[in-house]
Parts: sequence; C-alpha cells; structure tokens
Amino acid sequence: QKEVEQNSGPLSVPEGAIASLNCTYSDRGSQSFFWYRQYSGKSPELIMFIYSNGDKEDGRFTAQLNKASQYVSLLIRDSQPSDSATYLCAVNIPTGNQFYFGTGTSLTVIP
Amino acid sequence: ETGVTQSPTHLIKTRGQQVTLRCSSQSGHNTVSWYQQALGQGPQFIFQYYREEENGRGNFPPRFSGLQFPNYSSELNVNALELDDSALYLCASSYRGTGELFFGEGSRLTVL
Repeated sequence: QKEVEQNSGPLSVPEGAIASLNCTYSDRGSQSFFWYRQYSGKSPELIMFIYSNGDKEDGRFTAQLNKASQYVSLLIRDSQPSDSATYLCAVNIPTGNQFYFGTGTSLTVIP
Repeated sequence: ETGVTQSPTHLIKTRGQQVTLRCSSQSGHNTVSWYQQALGQGPQFIFQYYREEENGRGNFPPRFSGLQFPNYSSELNVNALELDDSALYLCASSYRGTGELFFGEGSRLTVL
C-alpha cells in the first residue's frame, strides 16, 4: 500500500468550474498535509498546507482535511487555464522525518 | 524563483559511474531534502539533512548518500549508477524540516 494515493486523472474541467482533487494517506501518524502544483517541465511549488481537521481557504483554493477518514482534498474555484498542471499531495510523517508525495493528478482547464 | 539553486541541470553518465549533485538552499533555511522524480511519478523522498546531520531517510539504498555544509548547502552522491537511477533529482530547502518546501529546478540525470 502506498503511503499517499491520488487519482492520476487526467481531470478536465471547463474554465470557471470547480476542480476537485482528492488524496488518501495510510499512516495515521501523519501530521501535516500539503498540496503542490507542478507545471510540465518545472519543479513543484507549494500552494496550500493544512494541519488541522476542517477547511482552509486561500483565495480560489480550499484544502480540506479529515484525519478520521485519512483524506485530504483540494478544491479550485473559478478554474483558469493557468491552473492546468499536475497537483501533488504530500504528507509529513514526523516519525523518522519522512515525507511522501502522491503520484499527482493531472488537471486540464478547458477555455 | 525560490532561491534554491541546483547544479548541474543536466548530465549523462554510464552505468557503474558515480555522480555528485549540488544544491544551495534558500536564505534562512537550515534544512535540505532530496527527491527523485521519475517521469510521470511524484517525487520520492531520498533523505533530509538538518544541521549537517541526516535526520530522515526514505527507501533508498546506501549508495545514495549526502552531505550538508555549514552554509546549509548540500550534495547528493550516487555510487554505482544503475539505469533506473535516470530521473529528475530535486533539492528542496525548508526551515527546520517543515513540509513547506521550496524546490530548485532540478538536475536531470540520464544513465546509459
């Protein structure tokens, strides 16, 4: 079982729609959760992090965490073509200072 | 721009050779971690250095080793290169090992 699992997609949404990206993790000791965006040929960049159960909003982005279900999601409202990228879910496990990424979900926003 | 720089950007080696990749961390960051990213995959955690000591390691064999220097820059060394080591190697810096990582542009290694 992988430590972090994501639907690989691809996910396509029309411009202006809500894109929903999902992630599950296996280690209940995980304490912090991150979403990175990676454009083709570029390195990942941090867009959101969340440490507590519930929702965290930052502009058009909302991260949701449910530790009981071991589930993290990212919602992108009013999707723009510039949001087209691969979105990586990542989990920090303090025991052993481990850090795991999922395989990423490819998002295409269609103009 | 994250302020994290990596060198070289591209390199080609043959199987069995050794390679050293270098990384300068962002100002104010004292932790460096390294990742291997194969095509179409997410980054895989190799190890993390904090205050010049390795304090976290992923599932990579001992032929992957590293160093962190007093100025927080870092090296990744890979011995006895294998074909499967061909990948993008990413360095990321952070403050005290939080997951808020700032990545360099990577070093793309091809092993022939």
